[in-house]
Amino acid sequence: EAGVAQSPRYKIIEKRQSVAFWCNPISGHATLYWYQQILGQGPKLLIQFQNNGVVDDSQLPKDRFSAERLKGVDSTLKIQPAKLEDSAVYLCASSSGRANQPQHFGDGTRLSIL
Amino acid sequence: DAKTTQPPSMDCAEGRAANLPCNHSTISGNEYVYWYRQIHSQGPQYIIHGLKNNETNEMASLIITEDRKSSTLILPHATLRDTAVYYCIVRVASDSWGKLQFGAGTQVVVTP
Repeated sequence: EAGVAQSPRYKIIEKRQSVAFWCNPISGHATLYWYQQILGQGPKLLIQFQNNGVVDDSQLPKDRFSAERLKGVDSTLKIQPAKLEDSAVYLCASSSGRANQPQHFGDGTRLSIL
Repeated sequence: DAKTTQPPSMDCAEGRAANLPCNHSTISGNEYVYWYRQIHSQGPQYIIHGLKNNETNEMASLIITEDRKSSTLILPHATLRDTAVYYCIVRVASDSWGKLQFGAGTQVVVTP
């Protein structure tokens, strides 16, 4: 089966600019996650969707970050305006939502803020 | 905060078994132990998980102590492609859509 697809792979922007990332989960997976991974650290959850509804966005900096999952399939994560500390890899993951099933990750988007 | 403790790094010779320890002394009765790994420039990859019995799949074996306070991931014949950061995570399996709480993991370097 096809894995989780993310684009772009790399993005370089200046601070205060806006940026958007796209994720296409594994077909049929109801649950979608966005994680932020700062260099040298493990991934940290930003937001979680169940179908097209938000389950957990407690760690999402809502003053600058937003995410949506239209029609319960693809998702976009946006940052506006970007800050230097947003430099990180943004990972998308999906799971079927059934008990004991693992999350599958995409290869992420590496964001560099100048 | 992560509920597990792992050594920051370890080396392993190619072809030998790699034994990766993980301490999870506060694990609850309904929490599973999950292992993921992350190869450079890739997303985390699921390896294996278990509750209290030892588990084995095509990638690795998972040995959980009887008191469940620690576990060991075993890569039976390490190859250079096994060089990665390995994460040990405890999680309630019934929370099937719950987040994964990653720590810093163990950087494993397999050398020729």
